[in-house]
Amino acid sequence: DAGVIQSPRHEVTEMGQEVTLRCKPISGHNSLFWYRQTMMRGLELLIYFNNNVPIDDSGMPEDRFSAKMPNASFSTLKIQPSEPRDSAVYFCASTKTWREGRTQYFGPGTRLLVL
Amino acid sequence: ILNVEQSPQSLHVQEGDSTNFTCSFPSSNFYALHWYRWETAKSPEALFVMTLNGDEKKKGRISATLNTKEGYSYLYIKGSQPEDSATYLCAFTSDRGSTLGRLYFGRGTQLTVWP
Repeated sequence: DAGVIQSPRHEVTEMGQEVTLRCKPISGHNSLFWYRQTMMRGLELLIYFNNNVPIDDSGMPEDRFSAKMPNASFSTLKIQPSEPRDSAVYFCASTKTWREGRTQYFGPGTRLLVL
Repeated sequence: ILNVEQSPQSLHVQEGDSTNFTCSFPSSNFYALHWYRWETAKSPEALFVMTLNGDEKKKGRISATLNTKEGYSYLYIKGSQPEDSATYLCAFTSDRGSTLGRLYFGRGTQLTVWP
């Protein structure tokens, strides 16, 4: 089975530009999570979906961030407009909530640099 | 927000030393406790998931124990090797249905093993 797939792997953009990060969860998983890794805050949860429905977006920093999950095999995280402080590694993870333990499997991450 | 604490924050050991880390978590509404291994520039990789009080898991030289009544877990590495150098994260899953598989992560213990 393919793992969680994220694209792009690296993104360099200028302040003010729109950035879209993409995630394909593991087939059959029903929950998807977006995380951000920063030096200051470690691994922080931004938003998560269950059966394509957003459950908790309280971790989304501000209105510039939005996430969608139009179907079970695809999700996007959009930043518009981007700012230098958004520079971080963004991870997507998925799990089956009915599976014992509910282990999350992480994608390789997208390294975002906003100049 | 459920608080998960890890100690120590960082650890430097010589090759061949054995070491252990601690994770403390809420003892109420327990569902599962996870350990992840996170190498620099990679994504977190699941090591263990434990769901029952007294659980012990082992993978090669790495083992983990769980005490849900007092809310702690230990991770042990026997005979550390340089390739064990990584950040070790623990994460707690609540049995509250509303959290739907969300992981509450600690900040991690950063292990460096010197040859």
